[in-house]
Amino acid sequence: NAGVTQTPKFQVLKTGQSMTLQCAQDMNHEYMSWYRQDPGMGLRLIHYSVGAGITDQGEVPNGYNVSRSTTEDFPLRLLSAAPSQTSVYFCASSYDFSYEQYFGPGTRLTVT
Amino acid sequence: ELKVEQNPLFLSMQEGKNYTIYCNYSTTSDRLYWYRQDPGKSLESLFVLLSNGAVKQEGRLMASLDTKARLSTLHITAAVHDLSATYFCAVDTLWQGAQKLVFGQGTRLTINP
Repeated sequence: NAGVTQTPKFQVLKTGQSMTLQCAQDMNHEYMSWYRQDPGMGLRLIHYSVGAGITDQGEVPNGYNVSRSTTEDFPLRLLSAAPSQTSVYFCASSYDFSYEQYFGPGTRLTVT
Repeated sequence: ELKVEQNPLFLSMQEGKNYTIYCNYSTTSDRLYWYRQDPGKSLESLFVLLSNGAVKQEGRLMASLDTKARLSTLHITAAVHDLSATYFCAVDTLWQGAQKLVFGQGTRLTINP
């Protein structure tokens, strides 16, 4: 099993550009989520999904969209990048919402 | 709203010493997680604590949970350099019908030879 994979590992965007961060898992997990990590703030939940076709907002959803067309994939879209979105983004998955979450390797995003 | 606070946020210690990291949280929860993060890396799960009084140990690390006090501790025994990392606690809460992990700020641990 590859576990949770994320691409790209690094990305630099200009303000106003859009892009998609990819996340995939091969563990047949129903629950997937996106977090951002900023210095001194731990991780904060952006969006989550409890299964294919079902997504919902986390605590910091503004500026991000998600979709979940398959169990395996949960992409995160930045609609119009802003410098405040400079961060490290982690995708996580778990079998069910009450189980331990497994984290991907992260994507380091810089918006200039 | 659930808040999770760790202390200390920075800890520099010598090899061979013992120390404890504290994790306080503000509302009821029965599940608490400890993660380790090395610089530039992802989060690695260390412990999952599922009930009041739970104690888990792995090598030089021991974690405990007191749900009545809303407190978890991560104790380091006879520290070695390899344990240098940032340690996060995270508390599980039901939010809008789904699980949300609320993380502490992290404790950056540096162990000096």
